[in-house]
Amino acid sequence: ETGVTQSPTHLIKTRGQQVTLRCSSQSGHNTVSWYQQALGQGPQFIFQYYREEENGRGNFPPRFSGLQFPNYSSELNVNALELDDSALYLCASGTATNTEAFFGQGTRLTVV
Amino acid sequence: GQQLNQSPQSMFIQEGEDVSMNCTSSSIFNTWLWYKQDPGEGPVLLIALYKAGELTSNGRLTAQFGITRKDSFLNISASIPSDVGIYFCAGQLNSGYSTLTFGKGTMLLVSP
Repeated sequence: ETGVTQSPTHLIKTRGQQVTLRCSSQSGHNTVSWYQQALGQGPQFIFQYYREEENGRGNFPPRFSGLQFPNYSSELNVNALELDDSALYLCASGTATNTEAFFGQGTRLTVV
Repeated sequence: GQQLNQSPQSMFIQEGEDVSMNCTSSSIFNTWLWYKQDPGEGPVLLIALYKAGELTSNGRLTAQFGITRKDSFLNISASIPSDVGIYFCAGQLNSGYSTLTFGKGTMLLVSP
């Protein structure tokens, strides 16, 4: 039990639609990162937020966007969904001074 | 996106056997981490390594941070059925703000 919760756990969307995934960070954590994990692969970094601002981004297009709220919860938004966006989306929370990041259980997104 | 080279890709062993897996990178990392992921769950941190040459244990698990800072290995001694899962290595340049770069994972199956 990491204290990081994600919702929903599963989601099916149609190509071209938009989706919002949510993450509630562990108490005391002020950074949140989002990762995409395709089947059979390791997680790939999407972006990270600290104090409500994006402070790092991986190789993902602008249609992947996010928000971090004052209570350190976070959202991942994906516009114009493509079939290849089907994956497990993980959020991880931590602190700016500590390496150790704690992952939620993920949201399984299927785009049809 | 970049992924670390992790081997072997999968292992099928008998309960009680020792297991060894490793991870290499073309880039230097200042922190190496090892995670375990069960089906339908997010990765759970097993061991974190912060110094080149460091050898750290967590129960039956032992991990080492390579001298060159470009590799790490994980050993599991006296494996048990609950060790089944996918093991990921991850490298990080700096604490807190820095992203995690993951390997593709090693799937471990343990026969009772």
